[in-house]
Amino acid sequence: QVQLVESGGGLVQPGRSLRLSCTASGFTFNAYGVQWVRQAPGKGLQWVATVWSDGTNEFYEDSLRGRFTISSDNSKTTMYLQMTSVGVEDTGVYFCARVISFAGGRGVYFDLSGQGTLVTVSS
Amino acid sequence: DIQLTQSPSFLSASIGDRVTMTCRASQAISIYLGWYQQKPGKAPQLLIYAASTLQNGVPSRFSGSGSGTEFTLTISSLQPEDFATYYCQNLRSYPPHSFGPGTKLEIK
Repeated sequence: QVQLVESGGGLVQPGRSLRLSCTASGFTFNAYGVQWVRQAPGKGLQWVATVWSDGTNEFYEDSLRGRFTISSDNSKTTMYLQMTSVGVEDTGVYFCARVISFAGGRGVYFDLSGQGTLVTVSS
Repeated sequence: DIQLTQSPSFLSASIGDRVTMTCRASQAISIYLGWYQQKPGKAPQLLIYAASTLQNGVPSRFSGSGSGTEFTLTISSLQPEDFATYYCQNLRSYPPHSFGPGTKLEIK
């Protein structure tokens, strides 16, 4: 079954770190890029980060760069989002998504995402 | 950075209606725009990419158009399962891959 499954969310205190996981199955993991998207409670979607399938490029939303880092373990077909110095503004559901390029690499979209993992930042 | 705006923020319509919503980009992004549908408690689902290309499995009542800075998503005949929130996203390979604020489509 082709799917992505996020995990690692939960309650975390402000200023602490948290690592989210995104595990892929049913497709060739390293043939696709990955995008992280989050959604604060009752709010819209916010792009967090995108990494290319070959790992050559990582892009982060400006306000998150330096605190959030993407990494991967191909042997586990898992992508990680390391979150540091979290604040209440980081509370929300985090989705990972499979990224596909088109138009000769000039465009990207995500066609498959997981069910999301909830991160709650609170003391 | 590219900013996306969507209008209207809320749209009330009836089953069978034809509805159109708009996404505007702060600078030209050619055809690199996507549309996603999200229902409460669920992950967003891709409807359209490259402004007008229908994703596999998406009903043909959905269509997209536009290029440059103005884009539209049209649903030709609303079905009960179409009531959801719709987001546009900048799909240029060079980020930010920002989303618009969304249009919530509600039953009249």
